[in-house]
Amino acid sequence: AQKITQTQPGMFVQEKEAVTLDCTYDTSDQSYGLFWYKQPSSGEMIFLIYQGSYDEQNATEGRYSLNFQKARKSANLVISASQLGDSAMYFCATLGGAQKLVFGQGTRLTINP
Amino acid sequence: EADIYQTPRYLVIGTGKKITLECSQTMGHDKMYWYQQDPGMELHLIHYSYGVNSTEKGDLSSESTVSRIRTEHFPLTLESARPSHTSQYLCASSESSGSFKETQYFGPGTRLLVL
Repeated sequence: AQKITQTQPGMFVQEKEAVTLDCTYDTSDQSYGLFWYKQPSSGEMIFLIYQGSYDEQNATEGRYSLNFQKARKSANLVISASQLGDSAMYFCATLGGAQKLVFGQGTRLTINP
Repeated sequence: EADIYQTPRYLVIGTGKKITLECSQTMGHDKMYWYQQDPGMELHLIHYSYGVNSTEKGDLSSESTVSRIRTEHFPLTLESARPSHTSQYLCASSESSGSFKETQYFGPGTRLLVL
């Protein structure tokens, strides 16, 4: 079985600062994918970034990067130069051999002006 | 850019009513999913489909049912709504690639309130 743990229920960050959202995972699969989604207050889930378990380099997408440490089973999301529009819930998720996406509990990020 | 639509966006309905939540995607994706999410909580998979005439129950038990008669359409039905069904329902789709990079794209969600 797969499990995602996000230990930060809420984070408060000043605008323009970088922020790291923690995600650890537990899986017995040899191959798997890791995803981050953003959920604004409007409710939709927006795909941000993907990391494959065999990818040697950390994934990056614009201001988003994924700090992947396979031995520690962590896949932290880093947002550089945070903006007010980054305020939202952020979910880490994993896709393994069962081909079902398993989500963590989420982290509520608030960007202060 | 994902093109997946859900209607209605908000629904307030009385106990015992039958409801259908609509989900459509224009990307030709084989796989479609329904998730249930309580406010501020994680998502739970309640139904999924890997193609036309294929439907399976997810990890979270649900009294709802789904159908997949057309590739682009994956409606969810509750025969008799109850207050315990109050939640947000999110529909998603993904392209079947057999890899672990099958990114799921989500619709805007339906917020259901059963009185």
